Amino acid sequence: DIQMTQSPSSLSASVGDRVTITCRASQTINSYLNWYQQKPGKAPNLLIYTASSLQSGVPSRFSGSGSGTDFTLTISSLQPEDFATYYCQQSYNTPRTFGQGTKLEI
Amino acid sequence: EVQLVESGGGLVQPGGSLRVSCAASGFTVSSNHMSWVRQAPGKGLEWVSVLYRDYSTYYADSVKGRFTISRDNSQNTLYLQMSSLRAEDTAVYYCTRDVESGSFLYFHPWGQGTLVTVSS
Repeated sequence: DIQMTQSPSSLSASVGDRVTITCRASQTINSYLNWYQQKPGKAPNLLIYTASSLQSGVPSRFSGSGSGTDFTLTISSLQPEDFATYYCQQSYNTPRTFGQGTKLEI
Repeated sequence: EVQLVESGGGLVQPGGSLRVSCAASGFTVSSNHMSWVRQAPGKGLEWVSVLYRDYSTYYADSVKGRFTISRDNSQNTLYLQMSSLRAEDTAVYYCTRDVESGSFLYFHPWGQGTLVTVSS
């Protein structure tokens, strides 16, 4: 199975900050990497697919980059509604593994 | 509007069985790949199973041999039949559509989830 490791596990930041979350795969996954946001008590929501494609309706302050084994999710200017947990997920093969999550506290 | 609505969760004793359902609207389940993902209380996301359009299925090792994914095309509904349930199966179970973009796959949208609690 491909292991996905996110860092940091938690992050404290302020409104307006630029934040970067990293995700590393245990083997190359090309660009088969997706990012999800989950708010407390809610289902996950797709932010970024294929490493860098922004899902329709997602604010442009979110961006993704990377290929191979190393990926990043960047929020250019944090907003109060961005308080959430973020997960990366590989779709290179089955099982479709997730990172352990990064909890972003404002 | 594309929507998924899960149901059927509840309290079940260890060793028991339960079937959770996921009713889809706005798209056809049989024309899409569909997955179940679960989240234990306070924990991260764990992929559970996928049912591809061609009826092929895959399972996480943690549920293989105990869970069965299926669909009812006439009801446009996805199911997860769970048996020999264990305490560690306690989780919110989400269904999600496995969207294809070329050779890429991603989960969108997600249902609201249904809680399964395994306890005596």
